[in-house]
Amino acid sequence: EAQVTQNPRYLITVTGKKLTVTCSQNMNHEYMSWYRQDPGLGLRQIYYSMNVEVTDKGDVPEGYKVSRKEKRNFPLILESPSPNQTSLYFCASSHRTGYQETQYFGPGTRLLVL
Amino acid sequence: AQKVTQAQTEISVVEKEDVTLDCVYETRDTTYYLFWYKQPPSGELVFLIRRNSFDEQNEISGRYSWNFQKSTSSFNFTITASQVVDSAVYFCALSEYEDSNYQLIWGAGTKLIIKP
Repeated sequence: EAQVTQNPRYLITVTGKKLTVTCSQNMNHEYMSWYRQDPGLGLRQIYYSMNVEVTDKGDVPEGYKVSRKEKRNFPLILESPSPNQTSLYFCASSHRTGYQETQYFGPGTRLLVL
Repeated sequence: AQKVTQAQTEISVVEKEDVTLDCVYETRDTTYYLFWYKQPPSGELVFLIRRNSFDEQNEISGRYSWNFQKSTSSFNFTITASQVVDSAVYFCALSEYEDSNYQLIWGAGTKLIIKP
């Protein structure tokens, strides 16, 4: 089954304690991205990756890091989480063929930073 | 800068009524994509439709239909004969490539409540 998986689904942590949210896709997609969703703001792109070893900042990259060492994995790293990073995070992957493209989203990770 | 506006924060209708969710976008590009996603109370994001900027044909899928009007930069979504299961937050999004960078811009979402 084609899917994007994220782990953990729920996480409560404290300020400053490094954490990693994993994201994996089994569709061999080149493009992957991370979003955060906050009430009233919709989804905002944090980072994206066009392919292995190619990453770039989205709209709200501050406080986050990513890596793309393999095509299937795109982990999101919070080196020193702060309460304003409390949010719902989505990972997505897609494949673009000409003008055809659809993003597949993971189930989301709810993060609470105390 | 590109932008997506969903002016309706929340809509409440009674089951079986038709309802239209508005989406207005801004972009300087001639090549772009428009999307609608559904987010039910369970939280996952469900893809509904993708439309590229060269295809202005309206689309119908069951009770769902989409009206793409380039002249007014709008991509509205209509649910006919709404059902309680349609209750969700609906997002419109715009994607384009700018200077070889991919960007996906989301509207703030419209919360749709269908009352039995």
